[in-house]
Amino acid sequence: SQTIHQWPATLVQPVGSPLSLECTVEGTSNPNLYWYRQAAGRGLQLLFYSVGIGQISSEVPQNLSASRPQDRQFILSSKKLLLSDSGFYLCASSGGHEQYFGPGTRLTVT
Amino acid sequence: GEDVEQSLFLSVREGDSSVINCTYTDSSSTYLYWYKQEPGAGLQLLTYIFSNMDMKQDQRLTVLLNKKDKHLSLRIADTQTGDSAIYFCAERDGQNFVFGPGTRLSVLP
Repeated sequence: SQTIHQWPATLVQPVGSPLSLECTVEGTSNPNLYWYRQAAGRGLQLLFYSVGIGQISSEVPQNLSASRPQDRQFILSSKKLLLSDSGFYLCASSGGHEQYFGPGTRLTVT
Repeated sequence: GEDVEQSLFLSVREGDSSVINCTYTDSSSTYLYWYKQEPGAGLQLLTYIFSNMDMKQDQRLTVLLNKKDKHLSLRIADTQTGDSAIYFCAERDGQNFVFGPGTRLSVLP
């Protein structure tokens, strides 16, 4: 099965600061990659998905962006964070029928 | 668009069976999934079922699928305190996965 790494595990950032969250995948090649956000006590909101290098689909208009510079690397970025960007960010990978998740990054914007 | 619904809370006594229910709207879903999320962690894939099956059993877990009613359930036999978590139902829609809001399972001693 696949292993998904995310870092950092927790992050506290001031409003207006930039953001970069990284996700890397082991155990598969050419996976579909996903970024989700989970607000406290809520379900998952799909932010971006990618079917290949440089191919990004955005599901929700916002001040976040995603990039996939390598086959098994997915990056979530922002130029200026908002308070509403606080949440639990999950990276996921799908190479077949199954989708596997990373451990998540807890982002608090202050 | 596609929608997946679940009840938000379920409480059971340790040793009893738990049944978590889910309904979905996309009749063309090929795979349906159950995930478990413990506090502060990512989602763990528990099991999944192909849409042409009506039941799948894996140790203490039994998945039942009623495709006509678009109803999916997860039964956990002999529920233990370690089963306390949020359980998410999901359906596959092309390249994307649509998740329900999650059911918080509390196991009482």
